[in-house]
Amino acid sequence: DTAVSQTPKYLVTQMGNDKSIKCEQNLGHDTMYWYKQDSKKFLKIMFSYNNKELIINETVPNRFSPKSPDKAHLNLHINSLELGDSAVYFCASSQVTGSQETQYFGPGTRLLVL
Amino acid sequence: GEDVEQSLFLSVREGDSSVINCTYTDSSSTYLYWYKQEPGAGLQLLTYIFSNMDMKQDQRLTVLLNKKDKHLSLRIADTQTGDSAIYFCAEKRGTGRRALTFGSGTRLQVQP
Repeated sequence: DTAVSQTPKYLVTQMGNDKSIKCEQNLGHDTMYWYKQDSKKFLKIMFSYNNKELIINETVPNRFSPKSPDKAHLNLHINSLELGDSAVYFCASSQVTGSQETQYFGPGTRLLVL
Repeated sequence: GEDVEQSLFLSVREGDSSVINCTYTDSSSTYLYWYKQEPGAGLQLLTYIFSNMDMKQDQRLTVLLNKKDKHLSLRIADTQTGDSAIYFCAEKRGTGRRALTFGSGTRLQVQP
C-alpha cells in the first residue's frame, strides 16, 4: 500500500523516559512534517524536512529532535518526556509541483505520558 | 489555530446537506484544504481549492471560497452517518514548501 505509516500507533510511557516515533512514506515525496495534535484537537506544525534538510523548526522544546536518515523517513526522538507531551503526533509528507502542494498524513501516534 | 477559525459543532439529520464554515485571515493563502478525521484515526484529505478559484465540486462535496471575505465552506450533500467526523480547514500560506495552518476542527454529528 502506498501511504504514510507511523510506528508505534500507541505509546504509553513514564515521565522522564526517552522515546522515539518513526515515520515512513513510500509516496516518493521529498518533504516530510511532524505535527502535534493536543487534547482539544488543535493541530500545530513542529518540524519539516526537505530532502533530509531541516526547513521548518517551530518553537518546540529542544527535548524534541527530528532525524531524517533519508527522504522517505522522518523520525522524532523525545528526551525526558513530560506530562504535557501527551498528544497525538502526526507525520505528513508532500511533493511540491509548481505552487501546488498536497500533504498526506499518517495515522498518528497516540502518546500518553504518565 | 487562532488565524483559522471554525465553529466547533454541527448536527444534521441523515440525508440533509451539511455546511461547514471556515474563516482565515492571511491574504497570502494559496491553497485551502479540507481534511476529515474519524475517531481514533488520522487525517484524510478530502479536497482542496486554489485561491484563485471560487468553487470546486467533487461528488457530494462542494467547496466555496469567498476570497474577499476570506471565507471557505464545505458542503456535503446527502449527509450519511459515515460522514460523522471532525472536519478541519487548513490553509497554506505563500508558495513552496510550507506547513499548513489548521483550524480547530468542526465536529459533525449525523443523526439517523
